[in-house]
Amino acid sequence: DTAVSQTPKYLVTQMGNDKSIKCEQNLGHDTMYWYKQDSKKFLKIMFSYNNKELIINETVPNRFSPKSPDKAHLNLHINSLELGDSAVYFCASSQDLGADQETQYFGPGTRLLVL
Amino acid sequence: GQQLNQSPQSMFIQEGEDVSMNCTSSSIFNTWLWYKQDPGEGPVLLIALYKAGELTSNGRLTAQFGITRKDSFLNISASIPSDVGIYFCAGPLGSKFYFGSGTKLNVKP
Repeated sequence: DTAVSQTPKYLVTQMGNDKSIKCEQNLGHDTMYWYKQDSKKFLKIMFSYNNKELIINETVPNRFSPKSPDKAHLNLHINSLELGDSAVYFCASSQDLGADQETQYFGPGTRLLVL
Repeated sequence: GQQLNQSPQSMFIQEGEDVSMNCTSSSIFNTWLWYKQDPGEGPVLLIALYKAGELTSNGRLTAQFGITRKDSFLNISASIPSDVGIYFCAGPLGSKFYFGSGTKLNVKP
């Protein structure tokens, strides 16, 4: 069974469109994250949620809106897509918020290409 | 913000060679994590270290938690072509996880 799953794996869309990426974890974790990985492979935190509550919002444009309907799901909606949004987006989860002895588990990624 | 400095950035080695990479920080970490990202996939946890001085192995991989708690090392012995990928160090601090910039490993058969 996949621990952290994301859909879709690939997303190709036109500039200006609105799109959503879904994430689900079956690990029973309390905390979920969204990361953006750019072309240089650097992993940049975007958001984290703990028990459905937004904890971290790292200077992400407000075109990006995360939604956590329950602890096991964290979706990412992006409005008015721009060329610079093209990247790989990873969902991740951990039992708790970056505490000592925590480990983080990643989904397979969503490859977004904005044309 | 906090950064983990990872080196080298990339490595080109021959199959069978041993590999070493390291990660340093200006802050003390109480947990060090090492991940591998295969092309087209998400990072997968390889080794987790929880105690200063700890040496932990996972097959041909061995990682060490530095005594100062500000660094960690990953060694791969007798590399094989499927070791190709990007290796990330990471650690939790405060309410966040911090990641190194990755070491891209290329293995020539």
